[in-house]
Parts: sequence; structure tokens; C-alpha cells
Amino acid sequence: KNQVEQSPQSLIILEGKNCTLQCNYTVSPFSNLRWYKQDTGRGPVSLTIMTFSENTKSNGRYTATLDADTKQSSLHITASQLSDSASYICVVSTSTSGTYKYIFGTGTRLKVLA
Amino acid sequence: EPEVTQTPSHQVTQMGQEVILRCVPISNHLYFYWYRQILGQKVEFLVSFYNNEISEKSEIFDDQFSVERPDGSNFTLKIRSTKLEDSAMYFCASRPGGLQFFGPGTRLTVL
Repeated sequence: KNQVEQSPQSLIILEGKNCTLQCNYTVSPFSNLRWYKQDTGRGPVSLTIMTFSENTKSNGRYTATLDADTKQSSLHITASQLSDSASYICVVSTSTSGTYKYIFGTGTRLKVLA
Repeated sequence: EPEVTQTPSHQVTQMGQEVILRCVPISNHLYFYWYRQILGQKVEFLVSFYNNEISEKSEIFDDQFSVERPDGSNFTLKIRSTKLEDSAMYFCASRPGGLQFFGPGTRLTVL
């Protein structure tokens, strides 16, 4: 069964600290993996998208890694800010016969405190 | 910067009523999606739409749901007879090729 699991479920850190969020997936065939940031009551906003051949991709203070062999990804946030408080969602896409399907993780709820 | 827009932002309806949620995707995008997110739960795929027809739908997307692109710009989700469990945020998304762009969502409350 295609699944995306994220950990931790929630995380509280102090402003300025770094953190790493984890994503494990069992989606097959794999097409790509995306990390989204979702503020409460808003739509998800894309942070990164990674294909099978990419190991690392950065977007400002966000760095995503992908290990396609172990089917794991991580999102590292450097020097956290209060505005980083949000849910971070890992989404893995799969494609069969040209049709894409997007499998969403349950998200990690991050709270950054002053 | 172009963005996906959705209206209304909040819709309150009585159980059994029909609702239409509206989305205006980014103009040069070809693929369109509806998702829902029940409060406190993860985002769930409902349906994808390409070339004026449904390309894929989930088990959630039963006969009570339908989608249309009536005028080449709007993309609508209709729920024929709403149930209490339809209360959720409904997100529209579109993409030109790879990256999906999400709208801000419509919060549907069924009483």
C-alpha cells in the first residue's frame, strides 16, 4: 500500500535553533517527493521538489535530502524563525500510465518559540 | 506572481443542500486537482482533471461529487447533497507540468 509516514508528529524548538523533520515512504513507482509548508487554515506552499536522482536540494534555510534506496527524506530547517511555525507536509507522487497520484503524509507540526 | 484563487473562503450549508466550490487555476496550467482536509487530519486527494475530463479520482469522490471546467478558466467542485462529514477545507491545485500550486482553500461547514 502506498503510504507516507512523517516524524515527529509535532516539534517545539526555540528561535534560532535548527531542526530536522523525517519522511519515510512506501510509494511505488516513485516519481518525485515534495515538501510543503502549510500555515493553519491555508493551502500548502511548495518548498522543494526532488526526483529520484537528486540527493539534496536547498531553498534558503530549508534543505531537503532524499535517499531513494531507503525511501527516506528529511527536511532540515536552519536558524529557525517564528514564522517557520507551521505544518510541514511530505508528499510523494507516483505515476502509472501517465496519470499522477499524490500521497500526502500526515505532517509535522512545528512550533518555534521566542 | 500568478496564484490559484478559490471562492468562497468559507461556505456554511445545511445537510442535504448542494454546494459549488469555485477555483480559478493559474492560466497556463493544464492539470487541475481537488483535495480536502478534514480538521486535524491530512490532506486527501479527491480528483484530478486534464484535457476537460477526469483523469483520476479517489474512493472519496463518489457520485455525490462532480467537477467541471465550465468556461475554460473556472474549475468547480460540486457536492450534490452534503453530509455532515463533508465538513472540511477543500483545496484546489493546478500545475503546468511538475510543481503543483495550491489555492488558499474553501472551508465548508455542513450543519
